[in-house]
Amino acid sequence: GAGVSQSPSNKVTEKGKDVELRCDPISGHTALYWYRQSLGQGLEFLIYFQGNSAPDKSGLPSDRFSAERTGGSVSTLTIQRTQQEDSAVYLCASSPGLLLNNEQFFGPGTRLTVL
Amino acid sequence: GQQLNQSPQSMFIQEGEDVSMNCTSSSIFNTWLWYKQDPGEGPVLLIALYKAGELTSNGRLTAQFGITRKDSFLNISASIPSDVGIYFCAGQRGYSGGGADGLTFGKGTHLIIQP
Repeated sequence: GAGVSQSPSNKVTEKGKDVELRCDPISGHTALYWYRQSLGQGLEFLIYFQGNSAPDKSGLPSDRFSAERTGGSVSTLTIQRTQQEDSAVYLCASSPGLLLNNEQFFGPGTRLTVL
Repeated sequence: GQQLNQSPQSMFIQEGEDVSMNCTSSSIFNTWLWYKQDPGEGPVLLIALYKAGELTSNGRLTAQFGITRKDSFLNISASIPSDVGIYFCAGQRGYSGGGADGLTFGKGTHLIIQP
């Protein structure tokens, strides 16, 4: 498809387990963003990549969260030792670049439930 | 993280009525954006505003970038059933050289249309 894809669409895990969420951006988009959307809330910005580089990781909620991007394409968001408060929809977006007028295109998200 | 103040939280209107929602912030943004999110989907961009005072239309939608750079509104005229969904405002800051980072979102306005 031509849009941003994310997998899995739904993930249920037990507290304390690690999870990996995957994002496939639109081909050719150099910028990639991760957001978290808790129930009834707006989107919370987590981290962005320009190419494979993430210049600012301060938006990640805790040191249990990490993200990487390889080959300037696919990105994975990893949450270690998951907690119930990590339950949310994790959304990925990509854009042609980091300019202000570069639209961010969002994927459908991964709904994470931590039991 | 920081979020924009978006109101109202929800709106129950009759089909054909006009809708108005707004966002305010305590800090300045270089870009204001309005998104719509349908259930199970990622947000989709409706209107982007890049200049203070700018008034932009997209079909039945009209949005304005506040002159102080700290607020924006979105109007929907003659609402139809497919307008149902959650509307988010978002702000973005830029850096010298033209770069930008992640978006700061409001908590959303739930629009419910009664036939």
